[in-house]
Amino acid sequence: DIQMTQSPSSLPASVGDTVTISCRASQNINNYLGWYQLKPGKAPRFLIHGASTLQTGVPSRFSGSGSGTDFSLTISSLQPEDFATYFCQQSYSTPYTFGQGTKLEIK
Amino acid sequence: QEQLVQSGAEVKKTGASVKVSCRASGHTYIHWVRQAPGQGLEWMGIVNPSGGTAYSEKFQDRVAMTRDTSTSTVYMELTSLRSEDTALYYCTAAAHLDDAEYFQHWGQGTLVTVSS
Repeated sequence: DIQMTQSPSSLPASVGDTVTISCRASQNINNYLGWYQLKPGKAPRFLIHGASTLQTGVPSRFSGSGSGTDFSLTISSLQPEDFATYFCQQSYSTPYTFGQGTKLEIK
Repeated sequence: QEQLVQSGAEVKKTGASVKVSCRASGHTYIHWVRQAPGQGLEWMGIVNPSGGTAYSEKFQDRVAMTRDTSTSTVYMELTSLRSEDTALYYCTAAAHLDDAEYFQHWGQGTLVTVSS
């Protein structure tokens, strides 16, 4: 199975900050990488596919980059609604695997 | 837009089985993903539009995913429950984008609690 390692696990930040979350795959996954946002009591939200392509309706302050084994999600000018947990996920091969998550918290 | 509506929370005894339903408005590839308390997301398997399945090796011996096309409902049954199966179970409709599969639409989650 492909292991996905996310860092940091917790990220304190303030409204207006720019933050970056990292995700590393245990082997080359090309750009078959997705990002998801989870909030308690709500259905998860699909943000990005192909490492960098935003889904319709996702604000442009979200951006993704990377290829091969190293990826990142950057959120610019944090808004109150962005405080949530973020997961990366590889779609290169089954079993599909996720990172352990990064909880973006209000500082 | 795919709408996914899951069945309600369940409390089960160790060794029992649970069957979670997911009403999916479209005929799509439906995956099941779970999240144990304080843990990350874990992929369990997929059922395709014609009812074919593929499961994670971890759950291969204990899980069955089925589809009732007459009611647009997909089911996930997990047997021989243990305390480690306590989790929030999600169904999710996949999108095939740029040669890969991603979890585009999600149900609201079904909490399954297993206790002795």
